[in-house]
Amino acid sequence: DQQVKQNSPSLSVQEGRISILNCDYTNSMFDYFLWYKKYPAEGPTFLISISSIKDKNEDGRFTVFLNKSAKHLSLHIVPSQPGDSAVYFCAARSSGNTPLVFGKGTRLSVIA
Amino acid sequence: GAVVSQHPSRVICKSGTSVKIECRSLDFQATTMFWYRQFPKQSLMLMATSNEGSKATYEQGVEKDKFLINHASLTLSTLTVTSAHPEDSSFYICSASSLGVGTEAFFGQGTRLTVV
Repeated sequence: DQQVKQNSPSLSVQEGRISILNCDYTNSMFDYFLWYKKYPAEGPTFLISISSIKDKNEDGRFTVFLNKSAKHLSLHIVPSQPGDSAVYFCAARSSGNTPLVFGKGTRLSVIA
Repeated sequence: GAVVSQHPSRVICKSGTSVKIECRSLDFQATTMFWYRQFPKQSLMLMATSNEGSKATYEQGVEKDKFLINHASLTLSTLTVTSAHPEDSSFYICSASSLGVGTEAFFGQGTRLTVV
């Protein structure tokens, strides 16, 4: 049973436009959500996070939105750049020093 | 962000031999380290959680006698794949976290293990 779901395995966006990556979760105990970016044969790199007490967190071109009632979060990248092309993983955790639970990832391709 | 170093980045070994992978937190004390495994085009699957100075907690389906985890200090955890078989070939990634550095986990670079 997948607790964190990324239903779109891939997404293509033109350079300069907005990229929207979606993530759904089922475990209501999750209270912290993160997005990671991953290149092949490398470990994930932390991008941005949001705690369950907020509904939006912004960091430069990256904004994460959280809808707790819908158990849904999204990552917005604007404007998208070719260097953003990578696999993006949504992750969630519950309180304490608990392990992250990952979605399957969405491969973003930003086309120049 | 905090730095986690994983070594080696790539290893090829013969079937039946053992391989040790190291994970070090370079600029913070990692009270907890997590080991993940990633199959091609799949997500990162948690294998085990290790807390410094205590035995690792393994996820269901992960053989603790095959994947030996040691977390002897606050900066080092090791994963040893014993009696490796070709089906153990995968990408292994460690992550480290500490309550002192926030709630995000930091990842090593990963190790590509190929068993021939």
